[in-house]
Amino acid sequence: QSALTQPRSVSGSPGQSVTISCTGTSGDVAGYIYVSWYQHHPGKAPQLIIYDVSQRPSGVPHRFSGSKSGNTASLTISGLQAEDEADYYCCSYAGSYTLVFGGGTKLTVL
Amino acid sequence: QLQLQESGPGLVKPSETLSLTCTVSGGSITSSSYYWGWIRQPPGKGLEWIGTIYYSESTYYNPSLKSRVNISLDTSKSQFSLKLSSVTAADTAVYYCARLMAGRAARPKNFDYWGQGTLVTVSS
Repeated sequence: QSALTQPRSVSGSPGQSVTISCTGTSGDVAGYIYVSWYQHHPGKAPQLIIYDVSQRPSGVPHRFSGSKSGNTASLTISGLQAEDEADYYCCSYAGSYTLVFGGGTKLTVL
Repeated sequence: QLQLQESGPGLVKPSETLSLTCTVSGGSITSSSYYWGWIRQPPGKGLEWIGTIYYSESTYYNPSLKSRVNISLDTSKSQFSLKLSSVTAADTAVYYCARLMAGRAARPKNFDYWGQGTLVTVSS
């Protein structure tokens, strides 16, 4: 079970859009709809922002959206705001009731 | 509002067993709609799934940790616990407990509530 592959860092200016990719295999991302994304501000608990590939929990701004194509899932943040600066992690069901996280992506708002 | 709180020693000696407990309040720990899990984050590194337990007490572990991990449920106290044996410095991390939603076929699908995390350092 290998970690899903995410870019180590991405950046964007306020108001712009950024996309974070999460690449797995047929045994995880490509095989199931259970891909989720978490926002993690250091020192705080991670927060669920996307589940089931593209669903937003109540209270999460519409600026956050998710999608999937084949073995790659993506998180897009539009209209970047300063408070979006955080670490972002994808997570996928990986069969046999196991889960796997991505390595994490640090988003910098310039 | 569901709340989870980790508790346990912040310092563990090498080769000993790390033991943490997660106390759940504001919700039922016996619902078939949820799993309960442990995740860790070593300093400067990403999140790692450790394992999960279902209300039926079925357990599922990260293959890389499976030989050293045990997760148990105490419904009378609304708690679930983690034991990680034979620890080394590589097990130093912030440990989080969390609730997972169950999807079709009772597959665990996403974490929706997290504890604040507790730092456990492995050192003599």
